Amino acid sequence: EDKVVQSPLSLVVHEGDTVTLNCSYEVTNFRSLLWYKQEKKAPTFLFMLTSSGIEKKSGRLSSILDKKELFSILNITATQTGDSAVYLCAVVRNNDMRFGAGTRLTVKP
Amino acid sequence: NAGVTQTPKFQVLKTGQSMTLQCAQDMNHEYMSWYRQDPGMGLRLIHYSVGAGITDQGEVPNGYNVSRSTTEDFPLRLLSAAPSQTSVYFCASSTGSNIQYFGAGTRLSVL
Repeated sequence: EDKVVQSPLSLVVHEGDTVTLNCSYEVTNFRSLLWYKQEKKAPTFLFMLTSSGIEKKSGRLSSILDKKELFSILNITATQTGDSAVYLCAVVRNNDMRFGAGTRLTVKP
Repeated sequence: NAGVTQTPKFQVLKTGQSMTLQCAQDMNHEYMSWYRQDPGMGLRLIHYSVGAGITDQGEVPNGYNVSRSTTEDFPLRLLSAAPSQTSVYFCASSTGSNIQYFGAGTRLSVL
């Protein structure tokens, strides 16, 4: 059965820390992997990864995919309280998307 | 920019009642989908549609019906609500790029 597993499930850090969030997957017909950030309401798109080894970067956030080992990481450097959210990993298969349970990140001042 | 619009934002139902959650998008996206989100379980796909007139089941379709008569609208119907359907429901749409854009969600409680 296809699955997407995120770790850790929750994480508490202080402002300025660097965090690494993990996403491993076992799916058939893999097309791409996406990262979303969810605060109070709807998930908002962060990155889409389709090729191994190519880092995607946006400000303090970056992500990379390893299609051989079937995982992705999301890095956040110099964390801020505004980074507090649930981070969701999702894998796109042929016609649908399978989500992990998410990592709840709390950044304390 | 409206994007993906869901109504209502909140709803309380009694067991056995029926209702329709509305979803509309103005981005001319072919692909639309419905998810439910429960604590600790991420988002789970209920139904999806790759275009008008075409729908298919996702991971957790039981107890829900959908139809797609137009590109813009993708309503989700609960025929006989059960307490197990208490959840937050998200509608999403996308183009062929696979990046899905989500609505603000509907919080449903079934008593």
